[in-house]
Amino acid sequence: EDQVTQSPEALRLQEGESSSLNCSYTVSGLRGLFWYRQDPGKGPEFLFTLYSAGEEKEKERLKATLTKKESFLHITAPKPEDSATYLCAVLPPGTNAGKSTFGDGTTLTVKP
Amino acid sequence: EAQVTQNPRYLITVTGKKLTVTCSQNMNHEYMSWYRQDPGLGLRQIYYSMNVEVTDKGDVPEGYKVSRKEKRNFPLILESPSPNQTSLYFCASSFWVANSPLHFGNGTRLTVT
Repeated sequence: EDQVTQSPEALRLQEGESSSLNCSYTVSGLRGLFWYRQDPGKGPEFLFTLYSAGEEKEKERLKATLTKKESFLHITAPKPEDSATYLCAVLPPGTNAGKSTFGDGTTLTVKP
Repeated sequence: EAQVTQNPRYLITVTGKKLTVTCSQNMNHEYMSWYRQDPGLGLRQIYYSMNVEVTDKGDVPEGYKVSRKEKRNFPLILESPSPNQTSLYFCASSFWVANSPLHFGNGTRLTVT
C-alpha cells in the first residue's frame, strides 16, 4: 500500500525563521508529487507539482524539492500569513491512475 | 470564476436518513474525486471518476455511492448514514489525472447523530 508520511506534525516558527517540511513516500514509479496549502475551513489549494528526482519549484518564500524517496518544502523567512496546513499527495502509476494518497499534513504557525 | 461548488456547506442529519452532497465544477474537467478529512487521518479518497459514466473506488468507499451522468456534476450519496460518517467532505476536480493539480471545493461538514 502506498504510504505518504509528513513531518513534523506541527511546526511553530518565529517570523523570519526559515525551516523545512518533509514528505516521504513509498510509492514506486511515482507519476507526480503535489504540495497543497490548506487554510482553516477551506479546501486545499495547489502549490506545486514535482515529477522527477532533482526537480525544484519556487513560489515567493516557498521552494519544493524532490528526491527518489522524499520531498521537502523549504520556507524562507516566513511571515504570519504563511501559517496554514501544508499537505503533500502522490499519484501512483499504472492501473491505480485515478487514486491519490495524501499525507496527514504539517500545521505551520508563524508568530510575528 | 473557475470553481468547484459543493452544497450544502453544513449538514446535520440522523442515522439512516438518505442524503446527497452535490458537487459541480465549471472548468470542463474530466477527473473528479471525493475525499473525507478526519483529525489524525488526513484526507482519504472515497470515490473518483475519470470521465462521464466512469467511476471507481478509492480507499474508503464503504457506505457511499457516486454517479457521473454529466461531466460537471459528481454527487456523493449516503444511502443510510451512520455516525462514523461524520466528517468534513471535499470534492475535487482536475483537467486530467495524470499530472494536473486538483481544484477543491470548500467542503461540506456532515454530522450524523
